[in-house]
Amino acid sequence: DIQMTQSPSSVSASVGDRVTFTCRASQHISRWLAWYQHKSGEAPKLLIYAASSLQSGVPSRFSGSGSGTDFILTISSLQPEDFGTYYCQQANSFPITFGQGTRLEIK
Amino acid sequence: QVQLVQSGAEVKKPGSSVKVSCKASGGTFSSYTVTWVRQAPGQGLEWMGRFIPVLNVSKYAQKFQGRVTTTADRSTTTAYLELRSLTSEDTGVYFCAGSAYDMSSDSEVNWFDLWGQGTLVTVSS
Repeated sequence: DIQMTQSPSSVSASVGDRVTFTCRASQHISRWLAWYQHKSGEAPKLLIYAASSLQSGVPSRFSGSGSGTDFILTISSLQPEDFGTYYCQQANSFPITFGQGTRLEIK
Repeated sequence: QVQLVQSGAEVKKPGSSVKVSCKASGGTFSSYTVTWVRQAPGQGLEWMGRFIPVLNVSKYAQKFQGRVTTTADRSTTTAYLELRSLTSEDTGVYFCAGSAYDMSSDSEVNWFDLWGQGTLVTVSS
């Protein structure tokens, strides 16, 4: 199975800050990577697919980069509604696996 | 616009089974796969398995092999997850999620832009 490792496990940032999340795959997955935002009591929301493609309706302050084993999700200017837990997910092969998540808190 | 609507919360005894439903409204299953993801309390997202309704084929995580079954009723556009031999560790929120499937090329893309609202399953004696 492909292991997905996210860092940091949690982050606290202020409105307007630039925030980055890192995700590393245990094997090469090309660009078969997605990022989700998950808020408690809600369904996860797809933000980025194919490593860097912005899902329709997602604000442009979200961006993704990377390929192979190392990936980054960036929020260019943090907004109050961006709190939640962010997960990466590999879609390269079964079983599909998620990272353990990075919890984002707004200061 | 397709929406996924899941069945309501369940409370089950250890050793019993649960069947969660996921109805696609506003569309059909012909161009989708249905994936099941769960979140245990305080834990992250865990992929359980994927079902292709138009082909009636499944893949499951090794962890659930032997006690999980995914099915669908295409006439009612409803997918089902059945989990048997429940223990307290099966307590959590179960989500269905949809992703695109192209039958002409037998290709699927396993990232999920369509999600149900989640179903809380509590296993307790």
